[in-house]
Amino acid sequence: AQTVTQSQPEMSVQEAETVTLSCTYDTSENNYYLFWYKQPPSRQMILVIRQEAYKQQNATENRFSVNFQKAAKSFSLKISDSQLGDTAMYFCASHLRGGSEKLVFGKGTKLTVNP
Amino acid sequence: DARVTQTPRDKVTEMGQEVTMRCQPILGHNTVFWYRQTMMQGLELLAYFRNRAPLDDSGMPKDRFSAEMPDATLATLKIQPSEPRDSAVYFCASGTGQGNTIYFGEGSWLTVV
Repeated sequence: AQTVTQSQPEMSVQEAETVTLSCTYDTSENNYYLFWYKQPPSRQMILVIRQEAYKQQNATENRFSVNFQKAAKSFSLKISDSQLGDTAMYFCASHLRGGSEKLVFGKGTKLTVNP
Repeated sequence: DARVTQTPRDKVTEMGQEVTMRCQPILGHNTVFWYRQTMMQGLELLAYFRNRAPLDDSGMPKDRFSAEMPDATLATLKIQPSEPRDSAVYFCASGTGQGNTIYFGEGSWLTVV
């Protein structure tokens, strides 16, 4: 069974600074996908970034990047130049490749960007 | 701009009433999911369809919940009878499988009093 753990219930950062959100996961499979979703107060779930486990290169999307450590089963999200609009809940999720496509989510990290 | 459409956005109902939530997945997506979000449990998968066939509903209380896909453009989640513990945000999501992005609707916030 897959599990996803986010150990930081809440974090805060000053505008324009960098923050890293942690995520660890557990799976016995070798092929899977990892995701970070953002949920602002509007409650819409928005994909931030996606990583394929068989790719060693860390995914990057503008100010968002990941540090994917497959052996350690770690998948952290780095937000650079934080903006007030980044204030949201952030969820780490995974699903297996080729099998059940259901996303398994962590409990989330509430990020507040302060002016 | 393709998106998953859910109705209702918000609903307050009395205990014992039937509740039906509807979802229109993105055109061309063949996988549809229903998730429930609560403060205590976080995001839980209730049901999952591929090509309209139910593949996994192990997370759904069978005695009161049912999920169906009458056609490729409509997924429904019914609760009958509803109970206060069903109060949550219910998300529908769709995707094309194979690890591609799963897109979420805006959610239906259900309050059962």
